[in-house]
Amino acid sequence: GQSLEQPSEVTAVEGAIVQMNCTYQTSGFYGLSWYQQHDGGAPTFLSYNALDGLEETGRFSSFLSRSDSYGYLLLQELQMKDSASYFCAVEGSNTGKLIFGQGTTLQVKP
Amino acid sequence: EAGVTQFPSHSVIEKGQTVTLRCDPISGHDNLYWYRRVMGKEIKFLLHFVKESKQDESGMPNNRFLAERTGGTYSTLKVQPAELEDSGVYFCASSQEEGTKLFFGSGTQLSVL
Repeated sequence: GQSLEQPSEVTAVEGAIVQMNCTYQTSGFYGLSWYQQHDGGAPTFLSYNALDGLEETGRFSSFLSRSDSYGYLLLQELQMKDSASYFCAVEGSNTGKLIFGQGTTLQVKP
Repeated sequence: EAGVTQFPSHSVIEKGQTVTLRCDPISGHDNLYWYRRVMGKEIKFLLHFVKESKQDESGMPNNRFLAERTGGTYSTLKVQPAELEDSGVYFCASSQEEGTKLFFGSGTQLSVL
């Protein structure tokens, strides 16, 4: 089967750095995406890795190791507004169809 | 630019009834996807349109679900008759080209009682 594993919850303090991991097992792999979803809102694209290494976009960085079937999302200088669910998703083909993990709920505390 | 819009935002129906969900993608986006999240579980792919054609409907649970995209603009997802296990949040997403990032709507929360 195809599956993605993410920790269910992570708690961190405002101003800190947090890393959220994602391991995947899929029949095809074109890339790993990360989406953020606030309660009741639309999942919003954050980052995408097709090749090994680190991609940085402001306070957000995403890493991919295809040999380990592993990636992570790194958030720096945490803010209260970063409290949300974070989903990793594998693009298993070149059609845009995504296979999602169950998501990690990040709670940022003062 | 308007984002992906979905209607209604919430729907509460009884088992056996019919419900139709609507999605308006971002203008000019040929690719339209439907996803569903059952409580506490992952967001699961339902189907993919390219313009008015169904490219991939491998995620549709059964023949109680019917999706259409007449004219290649907005899409509807009809559930008939609804069952308890159909409850969840139904998301629509669109993209300009296949393999690019998806823009999601806020979803329709469907509760089947």
